[in-house]
Amino acid sequence: EPEVTQTPSHQVTQMGQEVILRCVPISNHLYFYWYRQILGQKVEFLVSFYNNEISEKSEIFDDQFSVERPDGSNFTLKIRSTKLEDSAMYFCASSELGQADSPLHFGNGTRLTVT
Amino acid sequence: GESVGLHLPTLSVQEGDNSIINCAYSNSASDYFIWYKQESGKGPQFIIDIRSNMDKRQGQRVTVLLNKTVKHLSLQIAATQPGDSAVYFCAECGSGYALNFGKGTSLLVTP
Repeated sequence: EPEVTQTPSHQVTQMGQEVILRCVPISNHLYFYWYRQILGQKVEFLVSFYNNEISEKSEIFDDQFSVERPDGSNFTLKIRSTKLEDSAMYFCASSELGQADSPLHFGNGTRLTVT
Repeated sequence: GESVGLHLPTLSVQEGDNSIINCAYSNSASDYFIWYKQESGKGPQFIIDIRSNMDKRQGQRVTVLLNKTVKHLSLQIAATQPGDSAVYFCAECGSGYALNFGKGTSLLVTP
């Protein structure tokens, strides 16, 4: 069964550094997402991406965050100048149709630790 | 504000019994509901979904029930197995486009 893959599985970075989290969505999906989950809390929406542009973003997704689809297969989340509170599991997801029309399929996440 | 929540944080069942996990939502405009299973160290895994024009949907060993009158969603797992042990999240999508997750119920299946 096709799956969403994310790399790295664990990323440790120092506060103030930039990190790039990488994802390969399911190949025939058109909608891509980033969610995050702080330890012990619920999964929170960050951003959705369709047709090479952001279609929706949450309050969490401020100017330190950006997303990019640099080629036909990768989808990346960049966090500039990381803060301690950015430590979380970051999940990439993709879907055939929008979030209101088809289920999201998630990767296994990247655990980001900011020290 | 609008919220999605779960009635119980933990549920312990014996292997072979049926499990029922409940979820309440407050957004009356929600029209798409999904149950996810999350095992330790993994991402949420899609189990089953239901639209607001339905009140019941069945999958393999799982059934989702939707009661729009009281804004309640439940996931029933038949003949629960040790591999069903995980955290289960309900999620809804409605007025906005973002999927809104509940806090999760931890299901523990004991032999």
